[in-house]
Amino acid sequence: DAGVIQSPRHEVTEMGQEVTLRCKPISGHNSLFWYRQTMMRGLELLIYFNNNVPIDDSGMPEDRFSAKMPNASFSTLKIQPSEPRDSAVYFCASSFTSSGRLYEQYFGPGTRLTVT
Amino acid sequence: QQPVQSPQAVILREGEDAVINCSSSKALYSVHWYRQKHGEAPVFLMILLKGGEQKGHEKISASFNEKKQQSSLYLTASQLSYSGTYFCGTERGSSNTGKLIFGQGTTLQVKP
Repeated sequence: DAGVIQSPRHEVTEMGQEVTLRCKPISGHNSLFWYRQTMMRGLELLIYFNNNVPIDDSGMPEDRFSAKMPNASFSTLKIQPSEPRDSAVYFCASSFTSSGRLYEQYFGPGTRLTVT
Repeated sequence: QQPVQSPQAVILREGEDAVINCSSSKALYSVHWYRQKHGEAPVFLMILLKGGEQKGHEKISASFNEKKQQSSLYLTASQLSYSGTYFCGTERGSSNTGKLIFGQGTTLQVKP
């Protein structure tokens, strides 16, 4: 298995531009998580999906952030408009959950976003 | 709130032991431990469910005391490969939520 795939690996954009991050989870996993990691705030959960349905988006910073999971093999995280404080590494992780029980999460390599 | 990890950083010589603690102010259902090497993604180590179980993974083991709402990660006879940042992720509440809140991390450096 190729593991969790994220693209792009690096993104440099100017303030005000739209940014779309993409994730392909491991086949067979039914939960998907988007995290943001910065030195100041650590590893923060932004949103997670179970069976393609958003379950908890309480970590999404504000309305500029949105996430979708149109099918079991693809998810996007969009920032519109982007701001310099959005600069971070964004990780996607997938997992198998059964009867609500959370098993190990497999993280993708991350997307390093720089907003100038 | 995030769980609190201690210490924030530790430096060891190869072969030495270390303990990393993770404490929560909220009741915990499970604790998950991950290790992240510089520039890489976090990698799963182990999960502990409430019930006070202890688990092991090679020379790395962990315990979970649900009454004290804390978990400890034990690294024995450390190797150079153990260097990295260790994160505990907590699943709060009396039952599973499917959501982890991560601590701020403990940086471990193992020197020859």
